[in-house]
Amino acid sequence: NAGVTQTPKFRVLKTGQSMTLLCAQDMNHEYMYWYRQDPGMGLRLIHYSVGEGTTAKGEVPDGYNVSRLKKQNFLLGLESAAPSQTSVYFCASTSGGGEKLFFGSGTQLSVL
Amino acid sequence: GQNIDQPTEMTATEGAIVQINCTYQTSGFNGLFWYQQHAGEAPTFLSYNVLDGLEEKGRFSSFLSRSKGYSYLLLKELQMKDSASYLCAVTGANNLFFGTGTRLTVIP
Repeated sequence: NAGVTQTPKFRVLKTGQSMTLLCAQDMNHEYMYWYRQDPGMGLRLIHYSVGEGTTAKGEVPDGYNVSRLKKQNFLLGLESAAPSQTSVYFCASTSGGGEKLFFGSGTQLSVL
Repeated sequence: GQNIDQPTEMTATEGAIVQINCTYQTSGFNGLFWYQQHAGEAPTFLSYNVLDGLEEKGRFSSFLSRSKGYSYLLLKELQMKDSASYLCAVTGANNLFFGTGTRLTVIP
């Protein structure tokens, strides 16, 4: 039972570098989300998707892009990393709007 | 927009009862979740309330009042392993918005 898998678990970037975080779920969920979690700020929604080929902006989308080419995968991209993007990133998925979220184990990203 | 308030920190004694409150103001409210998050780990689901009233699940119970924009999570017979952050989250049309979380410390 893999559930929601995020890769990588840790990453250190220099300012201006780019990277992609991968989220994969094997539960056939329609909805997928990317959150970031910072001390004292709670979980904040970056982007989300309600189905294959669709994406939408959340609360804090600036500096990030996403793609949902396949139902099971949701990619989060940083084109030009900034120190303000140092955070823990969580991917989550669910079968519907009123159903519980299943979270990945998180990615600790540091931008120097 | 959404506004979700919870206390930042709480401390309680092992074996005791603790109530963690959450108040919210949101458009398009569908329901309210409670999640538990241990340090360095992902959040895990505890409860989901859609209708007014109390939902009991073992040592944990959750209450919702839609008219008051208020919920609480009740933890009974506290154990040391209950030391964690407790996140209140409200559902909109397609999204789930989280409060900043309440860090609970259980002391012997």
